[in-house]
Amino acid sequence: LAKTTQPISMDSYEGQEVNITCSHNNIATNDYITWYQQFPSQGPRFIIQGYKTKVTNEVASLFIPADRKSSTLSLPRVSLSDTAVYYCLVGDIGYGNKLVFGAGTILRVKS
Amino acid sequence: DTGVSQDPRHKITKRGQNVTFRCDPISEHNRLYWYRQTLGQGPEFLTYFQNEAQLEKSRLLSDRFSAERPKGSFSTLEIQRTEQGDSAMYLCASSPRGEGETQYFGPGTRLLVL
Repeated sequence: LAKTTQPISMDSYEGQEVNITCSHNNIATNDYITWYQQFPSQGPRFIIQGYKTKVTNEVASLFIPADRKSSTLSLPRVSLSDTAVYYCLVGDIGYGNKLVFGAGTILRVKS
Repeated sequence: DTGVSQDPRHKITKRGQNVTFRCDPISEHNRLYWYRQTLGQGPEFLTYFQNEAQLEKSRLLSDRFSAERPKGSFSTLEIQRTEQGDSAMYLCASSPRGEGETQYFGPGTRLLVL
């Protein structure tokens, strides 16, 4: 299983760029890297997914080095509403038992 | 709204009772997943369907838990003889079939066993 390790928490200020790194040393060839955002009492919300190199969408960027043993979620210019828990998920959704979420990173954005 | 829906959103029950939760996936998503999440932890995989076939169950899943997806659309998760340790958020997710597809989660059902 591709166990993931993330920082427990991070603090930032509004308008700053935030980078959250996830380590996944035993990622398998078919595994994708997916990041989710979760607010209290809600289900996780998809942010971004990638396999290698860099992926960018309207809300975030995902950087994946060549060895794929880590990944970094980049949130540009965070706001107070970005305060949430962020999860890195590594796996192949065709194999449920290999879908392992870590404990997540609590991001607190301050004004 | 065409997202994943779950019902009920909250359930309070007494220990020993049976409970059933329903999940309606995004239309045409043929994969459906159930997860359990306890406070301060990430979601934990429970079981996975492709169409009506239950392809995987967590090795840690008690036999008090059962799930069905009879017509390959909505799914139900039943917990028999609930225990206080079953108190958690139960999440459903769906995805299209295919490499590199993504799971989309519903809002969850919060279960409290007294």
